[in-house]
Amino acid sequence: KQEVTQIPAALSVPEGENLVLNCSFTDSAIYNLQWFRQDPGKGLTSLLLIQSSQREQTSGRLNASLDKSSGRSTLYIAASQPGDSATYLCAVRLYGGSQGNLIFGKGTKLSVKP
Amino acid sequence: NAGVMQNPRHLVRRRGQEARLRCSPMKGHSHVYWYRQLPEEGLKFMVYLQKENIIDESGMPKERFSAEFPKEGPSILRIQQVVRGDSAAYFCASSLTPVSSSGADYGYTFGSGTRLTVV
Repeated sequence: KQEVTQIPAALSVPEGENLVLNCSFTDSAIYNLQWFRQDPGKGLTSLLLIQSSQREQTSGRLNASLDKSSGRSTLYIAASQPGDSATYLCAVRLYGGSQGNLIFGKGTKLSVKP
Repeated sequence: NAGVMQNPRHLVRRRGQEARLRCSPMKGHSHVYWYRQLPEEGLKFMVYLQKENIIDESGMPKERFSAEFPKEGPSILRIQQVVRGDSAAYFCASSLTPVSSSGADYGYTFGSGTRLTVV
């Protein structure tokens, strides 16, 4: 059974710091891995999608890496800003089974202090 | 081009009542997915639908829950005889295509969710 774990559960950093969020998954047979941002009371915003054949994706100050063999992904946020405060979720899409079935971690709640 | 629209944003129901949650996918998207987020828990898959078809309902509770995506109109998630444990945020997502044979995928677009409170 696929399990997705995110560490740490919460993180508080001063503005300007570079930071890394971690995501691990137990079954390496995935189509892709997606990082989302969730603001309180809001929906999920897709940040980065990494296909299984890729090793990383970049968007602005965000960089996500994927190591399928070790079952790990990291989300790197450069020069953090208070507006980055949110909960960050990672989710994997499995081979086989339902094409619609994303497995989510519980998220990392990030707080960036001005 | 509006995103995925869910309504209502907040819904309060008394135990035993019915809750009806609506989801309009992005324009051109014909694949809809419902997820539930319980307090302090991650999002859990419930059901995957295409127009007029349920493709996978493996995450749906066997009783009281049903979903549909008619030819015309939004997708509906219906919860009958709600109980306090049904209180959660219910998210809908849509996609342009399912995963292709090559594994290429454009990902999901999520709505803002419906927060159901059962009192």
